[in-house]
Amino acid sequence: DGGITQSPKYLFRKEGQNVTLSCEQNLNHDAMYWYRQDPGQGLRLIYYSQIVNDFQKGDIAEGYSVSREKKESFPLTVTSAQKNPTAFYLCASSIEGWYGYTFGSGTRLTVV
Amino acid sequence: AQTVTQSQPEMSVQEAETVTLSCTYDTSESDYYLFWYKQPPSRQMILVIRQEAYKQQNATENRFSVNFQKAAKSFSLKISDSQLGDAAMYFCAHNTDKLIFGTGTRLQVFP
Repeated sequence: DGGITQSPKYLFRKEGQNVTLSCEQNLNHDAMYWYRQDPGQGLRLIYYSQIVNDFQKGDIAEGYSVSREKKESFPLTVTSAQKNPTAFYLCASSIEGWYGYTFGSGTRLTVV
Repeated sequence: AQTVTQSQPEMSVQEAETVTLSCTYDTSESDYYLFWYKQPPSRQMILVIRQEAYKQQNATENRFSVNFQKAAKSFSLKISDSQLGDAAMYFCAHNTDKLIFGTGTRLQVFP
């Protein structure tokens, strides 16, 4: 079945360490997105990529980095510069705007 | 800049009754898409219904329908014959080149 796979489901890291969240899709979608979800704040866009080897900052890109070397993959690195990284992270992909986005099941990152 | 506002943090409804969730948005674009997503406790995002801005007719999907008022930039979701499984967070979203979400409305359904 086609879909988006995010791994791991739960991730724990010590403060000051970089961590990379995985997002893989086999839907042949061109565009991929990373969102952060905090309680009471909905989903906020971190980065997005509409084509391989190109990506744009979203509303809250500071402290995050991404790469898009393959169509299927869009990993997100949470760097030590991100001041409050504990959150739920959702990856999504889309083929065209009308169809909306397909979401992964998310990664819960806890930094201690 | 695109913004989406959901002014109702929480709503409740009796099973089998009807409830309406509100959403307003702001955009300078003339052609765009609007969506309602459901997020149950599993946190999986599920597309409920979608609307193209150039279509005057309101979208309907079974028990879910929208009231789209383009001039007022309003996009409310009506859930008819509410069921216990409808309890979830509901997010309104607006899309031009990227999908922007509101802060969500938590819907409780009472038997």
